[in-house]
Amino acid sequence: AQTVTQSQPEMSVQEAETVTLSCTYDTSESDYYLFWYKQPPSRQMILVIRQEAYKQQNATENRFSVNFQKAAKSFSLKISDSQLGDAAMYFCAYRMYSGGGADGLTFGKGTHLIIQP
Amino acid sequence: DAGITQSPRHKVTETGTPVTLRCHQTENHRYMYWYRQDPGHGLRLIHYSYGVKDTDKGEVSDGYSVSRSKTEDFLLTLESATSSQTSVYFCAISARQEGTDGYTFGSGTRLTVV
Repeated sequence: AQTVTQSQPEMSVQEAETVTLSCTYDTSESDYYLFWYKQPPSRQMILVIRQEAYKQQNATENRFSVNFQKAAKSFSLKISDSQLGDAAMYFCAYRMYSGGGADGLTFGKGTHLIIQP
Repeated sequence: DAGITQSPRHKVTETGTPVTLRCHQTENHRYMYWYRQDPGHGLRLIHYSYGVKDTDKGEVSDGYSVSRSKTEDFLLTLESATSSQTSVYFCAISARQEGTDGYTFGSGTRLTVV
């Protein structure tokens, strides 16, 4: 079974600075998808960014970018120019490429990001 | 989130009582999922459905059952609620089983078993 590990339970960053959240995963598959979700205090799960494992180019979405290292099975999220609205729980998630039965999305335990004004 | 609603949003129930949570979607998506979220555990898959009357177990299915009689509705039932089932429950939908679409999540149901 796949596992996703987020080793930082909590991170703190000054407003306007850059922060990187770590995520590693374990899989025997060669094709898969990776995601970062944001969960603000409202509890809503919001998709931040996504990456296909067969694409070498790192995904970017405005101030959010990833560093995808397939050989190291690492998928970190970089948030540039941090804003107060970025404060939230961030979850890394893995999805198999196809089929997989009950696998669905496998989530890490989350990183609580605090933005210091 | 637009297109997916969960009810109720909050519920307090007593140990030993049955509880049903509802997930309703208007997106006509084939795949529907139930997750529970607990501190220190992230989100864990309880059950999922890949079509009407087609369901399967996830990682933490013990004590839960599901039903899907219509495309738009996916029900999660706790047959006899226990305190360990106090959690926030999320429903999610997906149009495809693969791809980078990710999932669309409902707003969650906070269930407290006393």
